[in-house]
Order: sequence, then structure tokens, then C-alpha cells
Amino acid sequence: DVKVTQSSRYLVKRTGEKVFLECVQDMDHENMFWYRQDPGLGLRLIYFSYDVKMKEKGDIPEGYSVSREKKERFSLILESASTNQTSMYLCASSMRGGNTEAFFGQGTRLTVV
Amino acid sequence: SQQGEEDPQALSIQEGENATMNCSYKTSINNLQWYRQNSGRGLVHLILIRSNEREKHSGRLRVTLDTSKKSSSLLITASRAADTASYFCATDGVNNAGNMLTFGGGTRLMVKP
Repeated sequence: DVKVTQSSRYLVKRTGEKVFLECVQDMDHENMFWYRQDPGLGLRLIYFSYDVKMKEKGDIPEGYSVSREKKERFSLILESASTNQTSMYLCASSMRGGNTEAFFGQGTRLTVV
Repeated sequence: SQQGEEDPQALSIQEGENATMNCSYKTSINNLQWYRQNSGRGLVHLILIRSNEREKHSGRLRVTLDTSKKSSSLLITASRAADTASYFCATDGVNNAGNMLTFGGGTRLMVKP
């Protein structure tokens, strides 16, 4: 079974903390994505990586950074967490090339207090 | 910026009825995909339709694509209570870096037994 695994299902962090969300895929996919999902807003792309050490900003990168040191792992970093970053975070991966589906992790529900 | 917008935002039907969800998008695409999300979980890929295809079937799912109107529809026939979920369309745009998928806001489907 193909798998995208996010390190935590639920996280509670304090304002100002540095937060790391980890995502690992076992499918040897080139592409990896971080989305956040908020009610009424659907999924919004934060960052996208198409190869090791390569990244592209999505629609809402402000307040976030990412790291892709190994092909299977894509980390989302909140440099200084704020309450408006309380959200569901979804990681996904896909093969490079057109017309391929994305595989999603189960999501991390982050609450910043 | 959201590429796709689903319509309606919410849909409630009885078991056995058909459910139709629509998606509109803004820019040229390589393909359009539909995903399903059970409450609080990750997304699962349902079906992909390429830009040169007009209709595609998979089990009880039927997807149409009209590139001239920049719209797609997902039809679920003979719905079941287990079809209760949120459904999202996602587009792989022609001018995307790599294969970034852009999602709409989703349709919440409730199928009453």
C-alpha cells in the first residue's frame, strides 16, 4: 500500500514557537506538497517541491518555510507560530510528469494558542 | 488564488438518488481531478480526466469536462450513505511549475439513509 505519513495527527503549540510538521512518502515520488485547509476556503497550496532541495512558493507561503533534504521527506516549518496558523495541514506527493494523481497524508490539525 | 470553484457548496440527498457536483476553473489545464475527503481525514483520488477528454466513467462515477466553458461535473449515481463526504476538484494547469495541483473549495455531500 502506498503511503504518505504525517508525523502528528494533532498538535497544540504556543504563539511564537517554532513548529515542524514532517511528511514522509514511500513511493519515490519527485513532487511533494504542503496545503492548509480551512472551512470555506478549500485547500490552499503553501509550498511545492519537485526535487530534493528544490521548492516553489504556493499561494500562501508567508509565515512558512520548507525543507527537502531527502527525496522521501518534506518538512513544513512555522518560524514563529501565530493563532492565524491554526488549521488542518495536508501533505501530498505525486510522480513527476503530467496526468498523475496525488496521494495525501491523513492531515495534521494544528492549534496555536 | 483558487483555481477551481465547486458548486453547490453543500448538497443533501436521499440514498439511491444521484448527486451532481460542478467545478469551474480559470486557466488552461492539462487535466482535472476529483478527490474525496471523509471528515477530518486526507484526500483520496477518485478520477482524472485529461484536457482532450470529454467524459470518463469509473464505477458509479461519471465525470465530464467542457474546456470551452472551463467547467467539469462529477455525477455519483445510486448514492449510498457511505458516499457522505466532501468532494474537491483540482486542476493541473498548463503553466504550472512542475505539476502543482490547485484545489477548489469543495462540495459537502450528505446522503441520508
